[in-house]
Amino acid sequence: GESVGLHLPTLSVQEGDNSIINCAYSNSASDYFIWYKQESGKGPQFIIDIRSNMDKRQGQRVTVLLNKTVKHLSLQIAATQPGDSAVYFCAETPNTGGFKTIFGAGTRLFVKA
Amino acid sequence: NAGVTQTPKFQVLKTGQSMTLQCAQDMNHNSMYWYRQDPGMGLRLIYYSASEGTTDKGEVPNGYNVSRLNKREFSLRLESAAPSQTSVYFCASRDQQGLNTEAFFGQGTRLTVV
Repeated sequence: GESVGLHLPTLSVQEGDNSIINCAYSNSASDYFIWYKQESGKGPQFIIDIRSNMDKRQGQRVTVLLNKTVKHLSLQIAATQPGDSAVYFCAETPNTGGFKTIFGAGTRLFVKA
Repeated sequence: NAGVTQTPKFQVLKTGQSMTLQCAQDMNHNSMYWYRQDPGMGLRLIYYSASEGTTDKGEVPNGYNVSRLNKREFSLRLESAAPSQTSVYFCASRDQQGLNTEAFFGQGTRLTVV
């Protein structure tokens, strides 16, 4: 069946280091992927997205990599800051449209000062 | 702009009670969604509304009803609350005029059913 999962439920990094959060997906028909950040007590917030015709996309301090061969998505955060501490979700949307977006369970990122 | 606004933020219900969660968005988005979030699980879609006047079931619709009151508002109703409905509920909206786009989420409603 369709699933979006994360390899690591928690990740702890030192402030200033780079963080890598991984995600596996199983629906080869998915063509749009998003990373969301969720801080405690708040709703998920969009970070970055990527479409299946790309393998890399960069934002401010964040990079998303997409490997369609192995159905793997990753979020890289450069120079991780205490404000980056949150739960990060990946989400996949099948090419049938955005109504059935599937969310992963999330990875909690701890940034140590 | 306020974005997506949900009320209430917290609610405690007794088993069998009913309540309506309210959601409004001011971004002129066509589609709106209700999700529930449980510990250790991803967001699960309860119902969605692709456009004003339409609603459809998501992954976990049992025990819920929705109303798309107008383009701005999408409410979620629990007719007879059960402890299994204890969860954090998120409303979201998305502009789907063109290619897939990101969803904008409200702050959530933390519901406890005792």
